[in-house]
Amino acid sequence: GNSVTQMEGPVTLSEEAFLTINCTYTATGYPSLFWYVQYPGEGLQLLLKATKADDKGSNKGFEATYRKETTSFHLEKGSVQVSDSAVYFCALIYNQGGKLIFGQGTELSVKP
Amino acid sequence: DGGITQSPKYLFRKEGQNVTLSCEQNLNHDAMYWYRQDPGQGLRLIYYSQIVNDFQKGDIAEGYSVSREKKESFPLTVTSAQKNPTAFYLCASSMWIQEISGANVLTFGAGSRLTVL
Repeated sequence: GNSVTQMEGPVTLSEEAFLTINCTYTATGYPSLFWYVQYPGEGLQLLLKATKADDKGSNKGFEATYRKETTSFHLEKGSVQVSDSAVYFCALIYNQGGKLIFGQGTELSVKP
Repeated sequence: DGGITQSPKYLFRKEGQNVTLSCEQNLNHDAMYWYRQDPGQGLRLIYYSQIVNDFQKGDIAEGYSVSREKKESFPLTVTSAQKNPTAFYLCASSMWIQEISGANVLTFGAGSRLTVL
Protein backbone atom coordinates (compact mmCIF):
# COMPACT_ATOMS: atom_id res chain seq x y z
CA GLY A 1 0.00 0.00 0.00
CA ASN A 2 0.91 3.67 -0.01
CA SER A 3 3.02 4.90 2.89
CA VAL A 4 5.34 7.66 4.05
CA THR A 5 8.41 7.17 6.22
CA GLN A 6 10.22 9.98 7.99
CA MET A 7 13.42 10.06 9.97
CA GLU A 8 12.86 9.62 13.66
CA GLY A 9 13.11 12.54 16.00
CA PRO A 10 13.65 14.48 18.01
CA VAL A 11 16.16 16.43 15.98
CA THR A 12 18.02 18.99 18.06
CA LEU A 13 20.01 21.74 16.36
CA SER A 14 21.66 24.98 17.29
CA GLU A 15 20.39 28.20 15.78
CA GLU A 16 21.71 28.85 12.23
CA ALA A 17 22.52 25.17 11.67
CA PHE A 18 21.57 23.38 8.45
CA LEU A 19 18.46 21.21 8.62
CA THR A 20 17.56 18.05 6.73
CA ILE A 21 14.55 15.93 7.58
CA ASN A 22 14.38 12.82 5.43
CA CYS A 23 11.14 11.61 3.90
CA THR A 24 10.65 8.64 1.59
CA TYR A 25 7.45 7.25 0.20
CA THR A 26 5.98 4.11 -1.27
CA ALA A 27 3.26 4.60 -3.82
CA THR A 28 2.10 3.37 -7.17
CA GLY A 29 1.53 6.02 -9.77
CA TYR A 30 2.38 9.69 -9.29
CA PRO A 31 1.35 11.16 -5.95
CA SER A 32 1.62 14.79 -4.89
CA LEU A 33 3.86 15.43 -1.90
CA PHE A 34 3.51 17.83 1.01
CA TRP A 35 5.24 19.04 4.13
CA TYR A 36 3.04 20.22 6.99
CA VAL A 37 4.25 21.89 10.19
CA GLN A 38 2.65 21.73 13.63
CA TYR A 39 3.67 24.32 16.20
CA PRO A 40 3.17 23.43 19.88
CA GLY A 41 -0.50 23.14 20.84
CA GLU A 42 -1.76 23.94 17.35
CA GLY A 43 -3.14 22.19 14.30
CA LEU A 44 -1.17 21.53 11.12
CA GLN A 45 -0.27 24.16 8.54
CA LEU A 46 0.81 23.52 4.98
CA LEU A 47 4.49 24.42 4.61
CA LEU A 48 5.15 23.48 0.98
CA LYS A 49 4.15 21.06 -1.75
CA ALA A 50 5.27 19.55 -5.05
CA THR A 51 2.96 17.95 -7.57
CA LYS A 52 5.29 16.26 -10.06
CA ALA A 53 8.77 14.83 -10.37
CA ASP A 54 11.65 17.34 -10.08
CA ASP A 55 9.34 20.05 -8.73
CA LYS A 56 10.79 22.03 -5.86
CA GLY A 57 8.46 23.36 -3.18
CA SER A 58 9.67 26.27 -1.08
CA ASN A 59 8.36 28.51 1.68
CA LYS A 60 9.83 30.46 4.62
CA GLY A 61 13.35 29.34 3.71
CA PHE A 62 12.39 25.66 3.62
CA GLU A 63 12.78 23.62 0.43
CA ALA A 64 12.00 20.10 -0.73
CA THR A 65 12.48 18.51 -4.14
CA TYR A 66 10.29 15.71 -5.50
CA ARG A 67 12.74 12.95 -6.45
CA LYS A 68 10.93 10.16 -8.25
CA GLU A 69 14.05 8.08 -8.82
CA THR A 70 14.70 7.83 -5.08
CA THR A 71 11.03 8.23 -4.01
CA SER A 72 12.08 10.98 -1.64
CA PHE A 73 10.98 14.46 -0.59
CA HIS A 74 13.56 15.59 1.96
CA LEU A 75 12.98 18.88 3.77
CA GLU A 76 15.91 21.30 4.02
CA LYS A 77 16.64 24.72 5.45
CA GLY A 78 19.97 26.48 5.32
CA SER A 79 19.80 28.28 8.66
CA VAL A 80 17.22 27.32 11.29
CA GLN A 81 15.81 29.63 13.93
CA VAL A 82 14.40 28.95 17.39
CA SER A 83 10.97 29.77 15.97
CA ASP A 84 11.26 26.76 13.61
CA SER A 85 10.89 24.41 16.58
CA ALA A 86 7.87 22.28 15.72
CA VAL A 87 6.80 18.87 14.47
CA TYR A 88 7.12 18.37 10.71
CA PHE A 89 4.96 15.92 8.78
CA CYS A 90 5.61 14.59 5.31
CA ALA A 91 2.49 13.50 3.43
CA LEU A 92 1.33 12.28 0.05
CA ILE A 93 -1.95 12.42 -1.78
CA TYR A 94 -3.13 10.56 -4.80
CA ASN A 95 -4.46 12.25 -7.88
CA GLN A 96 -7.86 10.84 -7.15
CA GLY A 97 -9.51 10.30 -3.81
CA GLY A 98 -8.04 13.27 -1.99
CA LYS A 99 -6.99 11.51 1.20
CA LEU A 100 -3.66 12.50 2.68
CA ILE A 101 -1.34 9.81 3.98
CA PHE A 102 0.98 11.13 6.69
CA GLY A 103 4.35 10.11 7.97
CA GLN A 104 4.80 9.75 11.71
CA GLY A 105 6.19 13.27 12.16
CA THR A 106 9.64 14.52 13.12
CA GLU A 107 10.07 16.82 16.07
CA LEU A 108 12.60 19.61 15.60
CA SER A 109 14.04 21.52 18.55
CA VAL A 110 16.27 24.52 17.84
CA LYS A 111 18.38 25.85 20.70
CA PRO A 112 19.67 29.44 20.86
CA ASP B 1 -11.32 35.37 8.43
CA GLY B 2 -12.08 31.97 6.98
CA GLY B 3 -11.01 28.93 8.91
CA ILE B 4 -11.89 25.89 10.95
CA THR B 5 -13.04 26.09 14.55
CA GLN B 6 -12.79 23.10 16.85
CA SER B 7 -14.27 22.96 20.33
CA PRO B 8 -13.65 22.32 23.08
CA LYS B 9 -9.87 22.68 23.09
CA TYR B 10 -9.58 20.41 26.13
CA LEU B 11 -12.08 17.78 27.25
CA PHE B 12 -12.08 15.27 30.06
CA ARG B 13 -14.27 12.20 30.03
CA LYS B 14 -15.02 9.43 32.43
CA GLU B 15 -14.86 5.88 31.15
CA GLY B 16 -18.16 4.75 29.65
CA GLN B 17 -19.25 8.22 28.55
CA ASN B 18 -19.79 9.38 25.00
CA VAL B 19 -18.40 12.77 24.06
CA THR B 20 -18.87 14.91 20.96
CA LEU B 21 -16.20 17.13 19.45
CA SER B 22 -17.34 20.04 17.36
CA CYS B 23 -15.86 21.11 14.02
CA GLU B 24 -17.15 24.10 12.03
CA GLN B 25 -15.69 25.61 8.85
CA ASN B 26 -16.57 28.76 6.93
CA LEU B 27 -14.33 28.08 3.95
CA ASN B 28 -17.15 26.71 1.80
CA HIS B 29 -15.19 23.46 1.49
CA ASP B 30 -17.00 20.35 0.35
CA ALA B 31 -14.85 17.78 2.12
CA MET B 32 -14.18 17.40 5.83
CA TYR B 33 -12.01 14.98 7.79
CA TRP B 34 -11.26 13.80 11.31
CA TYR B 35 -7.77 12.65 12.28
CA ARG B 36 -6.42 11.24 15.49
CA GLN B 37 -2.88 12.10 16.56
CA ASP B 38 -0.92 10.00 19.04
CA PRO B 39 2.73 10.59 20.00
CA GLY B 40 5.11 8.97 17.53
CA GLN B 41 2.31 7.69 15.29
CA GLY B 42 1.53 10.63 13.09
CA LEU B 43 -2.04 11.24 12.00
CA ARG B 44 -4.55 8.51 11.37
CA LEU B 45 -7.80 9.08 9.48
CA ILE B 46 -10.99 8.32 11.43
CA TYR B 47 -13.79 9.46 9.09
CA TYR B 48 -14.19 11.74 6.14
CA SER B 49 -17.06 13.29 4.24
CA GLN B 50 -17.18 14.47 0.65
CA ILE B 51 -20.66 15.99 0.67
CA VAL B 52 -23.57 16.64 3.00
CA ASN B 53 -25.33 13.53 4.31
CA ASP B 54 -22.50 11.27 3.18
CA PHE B 55 -19.38 10.05 4.97
CA GLN B 56 -16.91 7.17 4.81
CA LYS B 57 -14.85 5.27 7.34
CA GLY B 58 -11.16 5.94 7.47
CA ASP B 59 -8.47 3.68 8.84
CA ILE B 60 -9.54 3.66 12.51
CA ALA B 61 -13.32 4.27 12.57
CA GLU B 62 -14.20 1.71 15.25
CA GLY B 63 -15.61 3.37 18.36
CA TYR B 64 -16.34 6.66 16.58
CA SER B 65 -19.35 8.11 14.79
CA VAL B 66 -19.93 11.24 12.70
CA SER B 67 -22.71 13.16 10.99
CA ARG B 68 -22.75 15.67 8.15
CA GLU B 69 -26.13 17.40 8.23
CA LYS B 70 -24.71 20.75 7.14
CA LYS B 71 -21.83 21.62 4.83
CA GLU B 72 -20.17 23.70 7.54
CA SER B 73 -20.30 21.15 10.35
CA PHE B 74 -18.79 17.70 10.91
CA PRO B 75 -19.07 16.66 14.59
CA LEU B 76 -17.25 13.59 15.87
CA THR B 77 -18.64 11.43 18.68
CA VAL B 78 -16.19 9.32 20.64
CA THR B 79 -18.27 6.48 22.02
CA SER B 80 -17.70 4.23 25.01
CA ALA B 81 -16.75 1.50 22.54
CA GLN B 82 -13.48 3.29 21.76
CA LYS B 83 -10.97 1.44 23.95
CA ASN B 84 -8.24 4.04 24.07
CA PRO B 85 -9.77 7.45 23.36
CA THR B 86 -7.15 9.67 25.00
CA ALA B 87 -5.58 11.55 22.08
CA PHE B 88 -5.36 14.81 20.17
CA TYR B 89 -8.12 15.08 17.56
CA LEU B 90 -7.75 17.20 14.44
CA CYS B 91 -10.47 18.27 12.06
CA ALA B 92 -9.63 19.37 8.52
CA SER B 93 -11.40 20.47 5.36
CA SER B 94 -10.60 20.81 1.67
CA MET B 95 -12.06 21.47 -1.72
CA TRP B 96 -12.80 18.13 -3.33
CA ILE B 97 -11.07 18.29 -6.70
CA GLN B 98 -10.36 14.77 -7.73
CA GLU B 99 -8.89 15.50 -11.14
CA ILE B 100 -6.25 18.02 -10.23
CA SER B 101 -3.08 16.70 -8.68
CA GLY B 102 -2.00 18.48 -5.54
CA ALA B 103 -4.87 20.92 -5.45
CA ASN B 104 -6.67 19.23 -2.61
CA VAL B 105 -4.78 20.97 0.17
CA LEU B 106 -6.12 20.40 3.66
CA THR B 107 -6.79 23.20 6.12
CA PHE B 108 -6.65 22.11 9.76
CA GLY B 109 -8.31 23.29 12.92
CA ALA B 110 -6.34 23.86 16.13
CA GLY B 111 -7.33 20.50 17.59
CA SER B 112 -9.14 19.10 20.63
CA ARG B 113 -7.32 17.17 23.33
CA LEU B 114 -9.43 14.45 24.91
CA THR B 115 -8.36 12.82 28.16
CA VAL B 116 -10.16 9.87 29.71
CA LEU B 117 -10.00 9.84 33.48
